[in-house]
Amino acid sequence: SQTIHQWPATLVQPVGSPLSLECTVEGTSNPNLYWYRQAAGRGLQLLFYSVGIGQISSEVPQNLSASRPQDRQFILSSKKLLLSDSGFYLCAWSIQGFGPQHFGDGTRLSIL
Amino acid sequence: AQSVTQLGSHVSVSEGALVLLRCNYSSSVPPYLFWYVQYPNQGLQLLLKYTTGATLVKGINGFEAEFKKSETSFHLTKPSAHMSDAAEYFCAVSDHEGGGADGLTFGKGTHLIIQP
Repeated sequence: SQTIHQWPATLVQPVGSPLSLECTVEGTSNPNLYWYRQAAGRGLQLLFYSVGIGQISSEVPQNLSASRPQDRQFILSSKKLLLSDSGFYLCAWSIQGFGPQHFGDGTRLSIL
Repeated sequence: AQSVTQLGSHVSVSEGALVLLRCNYSSSVPPYLFWYVQYPNQGLQLLLKYTTGATLVKGINGFEAEFKKSETSFHLTKPSAHMSDAAEYFCAVSDHEGGGADGLTFGKGTHLIIQP
């Protein structure tokens, strides 16, 4: 069966520090991968999606970037965190072309 | 562009009572519709989905939803609420099953409170 792993579960970082959140999927090949951010009272916002290795699409301009160095690995990064980057970050995957999206357990990011 | 409106950021029901969470969508093509549940500090878990075929869809934990094209609605119901149903519920829409390449459009969520 397929599983998705996100880490770390929680992270506290100072303003201006770098960020790297990792997401990996097991049990499937060539999935679509997604990064969402969930801010309190604002629902989920799609940040990035990827349909293949090295292929990244950004939905909103921001202080973050994403990379997909391997088929089932998706990384969310920042060179310098802002206070506004605080939130709950969720990674998800879907079988390309069909099937619902499946979510990881998320990373709670707090910026001090 | 697609959009999802969930009426009521908070819904409170008594244990054993009917649960009704409302979702209306807009989509330029026949939509695929989803309901997800989120427990505190966890990811989203798929409750049910509508793609094609039968408009009444049954999901996990006793939930079901009915796709009504004429009303552009996909309301979530459960006949009898249980304390364990307390969570955040999200309705989502896509013009491709699974979101295709560009993700799902989510509503802002409804926090379901169960009163003992």
